[in-house]
Amino acid sequence: DTGVSQNPRHKITKRGQNVTFRCDPISEHNRLYWYRQTLGQGPEFLTYFQNEAQLEKSRLLSDRFSAERPKGSFSTLEIQRTEQGDSAMYLCASSLVSAGKDEQYFGPGTRLTVT
Amino acid sequence: AQRVTQPEKLLSVFKGAPVELKCNYSYSGSPELFWYVQYSRQRLQLLLRHISRESIKGFTADLNKGETSFHLKKPFAQEEDSAMYYCALARLSSNTGKLIFGQGTTLQVKP
Repeated sequence: DTGVSQNPRHKITKRGQNVTFRCDPISEHNRLYWYRQTLGQGPEFLTYFQNEAQLEKSRLLSDRFSAERPKGSFSTLEIQRTEQGDSAMYLCASSLVSAGKDEQYFGPGTRLTVT
Repeated sequence: AQRVTQPEKLLSVFKGAPVELKCNYSYSGSPELFWYVQYSRQRLQLLLRHISRESIKGFTADLNKGETSFHLKKPFAQEEDSAMYYCALARLSSNTGKLIFGQGTTLQVKP
């Protein structure tokens, strides 16, 4: 297992286009998190899944954002009608919740540039 | 609302000098505090968490509930410690595991 993977690593798109990112968590991790990181800031929570259920969404996640984890394995994050303000690094993390422990392992991120 | 503050964007020290990266938080409940590190061209990784009370790579951090702080310390900095450090908080009372991060501090250790 090589850890959490994310694809693509970089995405350049024009304003108004839709984009989709994929995250493959560590096998058998039951939780999957999405964060967004803009320049000079720490990561900000967007949403998370426990297995296939999306349990919490941040107010940062506007109606243009949707995330899925259809079989409780990989997850996708889609942004519709992208805006320049969506330019950021999108990070995925996964964890195996057990005995009150929830250590998150992060992927390398997808850097989105909206022109 | 929960908040994590790292007052220094950049901390520059010489090799062998002591290091203290500051982290303050605001949260009315019981927090779980973490330090994450990101080395150049690598992904974000957990350095330590207050619950485990470990010392990792010579770093320690003590949760001070009175001062709402979780400063990261190392007595003798090494050049390989140069990286971006993030302090993060999770709410023990909730079951989400969602992390709230500070803005990060770049540690630069000069030879």
